[in-house]
Amino acid sequence: KAGVTQTPRYLIKTRGQQVTLSCSPISGHRSVSWYQQTPGQGLQFLFEYFSETQRNKGNFPGRFSGRQFSNSRSEMNVSTLELGDSALYLCASSIQGAAGYTFGSGTRLTVV
Amino acid sequence: TQLLEQSPQFLSIQEGENLTVYCNSSSVFSSLQWYRQEPGEGPVLLVTVVTGGEVKKLKRLTFQFGDARKDSSLHITAAQPGDTGLYLCAGEPTAGSNYKLTFGKGTLLTVNP
Repeated sequence: KAGVTQTPRYLIKTRGQQVTLSCSPISGHRSVSWYQQTPGQGLQFLFEYFSETQRNKGNFPGRFSGRQFSNSRSEMNVSTLELGDSALYLCASSIQGAAGYTFGSGTRLTVV
Repeated sequence: TQLLEQSPQFLSIQEGENLTVYCNSSSVFSSLQWYRQEPGEGPVLLVTVVTGGEVKKLKRLTFQFGDARKDSSLHITAAQPGDTGLYLCAGEPTAGSNYKLTFGKGTLLTVNP
């Protein structure tokens, strides 16, 4: 079966711009979680969606937002980009919650 | 806040050597998951341990969950270059509507031929 698909794989943006990242989960998986990965902080939880509802949110500023559609596809948006937002953004899907994720390959975001 | 400490942070060994990676916390988790991540890719789930004291084997990899469900270890026997990668442990919370994993910062393993 198809895995978790994240698009785009690479992105370069300028400070102050906004960006939208996309994630298509494994068919049948209704939970989608987003993580930010940086060398210094590791994987940090952004938010989790289940059946179009955000069930949990990490400690990130309001510039980071997300949503989930009825087909379980999810998007995350970062507005007013800062240099510190440069990271690998990972999406993970599961049947429900945190019981074993399948991760996508990530979107590498570079803010210049 | 539940934290997971992984040690060592970096490990460079020769092919054929054995190694152990540790994942420790002061918090209790309902399960511990181990992932391996290769450069440019997302983490891949290796195993989930659920019961305190549980031991699981995956070929040359042995995973153990501590009796108190606060720590875990990963032992690799006769490491091979293909084992190279970032090993991450992740804890699932015990209670509440907290649908997220807490990740350790990982152990970067390099196995030299």
